[in-house]
Amino acid sequence: DTAVSQTPKYLVTQMGNDKSIKCEQNLGHDTMYWYKQDSKKFLKIMFSYNNKELIINETVPNRFSPKSPDKAHLNLHINSLELGDSAVYFCASSQDQATGGSFFGQGTRLTVV
Amino acid sequence: SQQGEEDPQALSIQEGENATMNCSYKTSINNLQWYRQNSGRGLVHLILIRSNEREKHSGRLRVTLDTSKKSSSLLITASRAADTASYFCATVTGGGNKLTFGTGTQLKVEL
Repeated sequence: DTAVSQTPKYLVTQMGNDKSIKCEQNLGHDTMYWYKQDSKKFLKIMFSYNNKELIINETVPNRFSPKSPDKAHLNLHINSLELGDSAVYFCASSQDQATGGSFFGQGTRLTVV
Repeated sequence: SQQGEEDPQALSIQEGENATMNCSYKTSINNLQWYRQNSGRGLVHLILIRSNEREKHSGRLRVTLDTSKKSSSLLITASRAADTASYFCATVTGGGNKLTFGTGTQLKVEL
């Protein structure tokens, strides 16, 4: 069973469209994250949720809206997509960053044309 | 801005050789973690070293941490072609729950 799964794996869409990426973890972790990896492989956190509550929001445009219906799911909705949104988006989960690492999904490669 | 800078950016070695990657960071940390990313895949957690630890081992991996120099190194001994990947250090600061990643080292192990 995949620990952290995100869908879709690839997403190609036109500028101006709205799209969603879904993420689910079956590890029982309390905290979930969205990270963005750009074309130079820089990874940066976007959001973090703990037990469905937003705890980190890192200066992300408000076109990006995360939603956590329960602690096992964290979805990312993006409005009015722009060319610069093209990147790989990773979902991750962790129980306690002080003692253990994060588990990452396989990534969603978003291409905006 | 990125918390960590990694050095070298790219490393190419022969199978059986050791590979060393370095990571420097800017602020006090709670712990430092190393991750591997195979091409087109997600990140895999390799090892975590706490700020009060100086060295840690896991299989062929050896991690050191020097908090006075704000730096860490990852040594992979007896490398294999399957070790070819990008390696990232990531720090956790204070009571925070987020990872701040370094710039990554691209390792290529040739047969």
